[in-house]
Amino acid sequence: QKEVEQNSGPLSVPEGAIASLNCTYSDRVSQSFFWYRQYSGKSPELIMSIYSNGDKEDGRFTAQLNKASQYVSLLIRDSQPSDSATYLCAVKPGNTPLVFGKGTRLSVIA
Amino acid sequence: ETGVTQTPRHLVMGMTNKKSLKCEQHLGHNAMYWYKQSAKKPLELMFVYNFKEQTENNSVPSRFSPECPNSSHLFLHLHTLQPEDSALYLCASSQESNEQFFGPGTRLTVL
Repeated sequence: QKEVEQNSGPLSVPEGAIASLNCTYSDRVSQSFFWYRQYSGKSPELIMSIYSNGDKEDGRFTAQLNKASQYVSLLIRDSQPSDSATYLCAVKPGNTPLVFGKGTRLSVIA
Repeated sequence: ETGVTQTPRHLVMGMTNKKSLKCEQHLGHNAMYWYKQSAKKPLELMFVYNFKEQTENNSVPSRFSPECPNSSHLFLHLHTLQPEDSALYLCASSQESNEQFFGPGTRLTVL
């Protein structure tokens, strides 16, 4: 069974710090990886996608992928209270639909 | 706006009612999905349609009945629901099985 694992949190960080969110996956053939942000009561919003090993930066967000370790992470620099949300990791295992993790709740303390 | 719309945004229904949720995508995608998300619980994939054909049904009770008349529209017909079916119902679309874009959801309350 294809699985995506995330620590449910809550992860609490002070405003201005770096928040580090982690995700591991079980299917070695996975090729595409995504991070979604979901505010309470709202729908998930795609914020990052990554397809090859290494880092991908977009503004304050950096996604990191290590296929050998089956590990993908999301770093949020200069965290703001508005970043407080649940972050969902999603993995595409082959030609099947995305598999979502249960999400990590992030709380940025002002 | 993600290009995926859902109506209604809120729905309250009794256990004997019949209602339908509607989803429309304006992205030219060929796959559409229904998810259920209960309070403080993870996303649960319910149904998947590729090119209007249902390709997955994750052991969803028959009181939920999907319909996909074309690649841009998706419905979820509801009948004789239970209070535990109260949840946020999310529609998403994608091109092939790549990244999915979600609609705003329908908040359903079953009395």
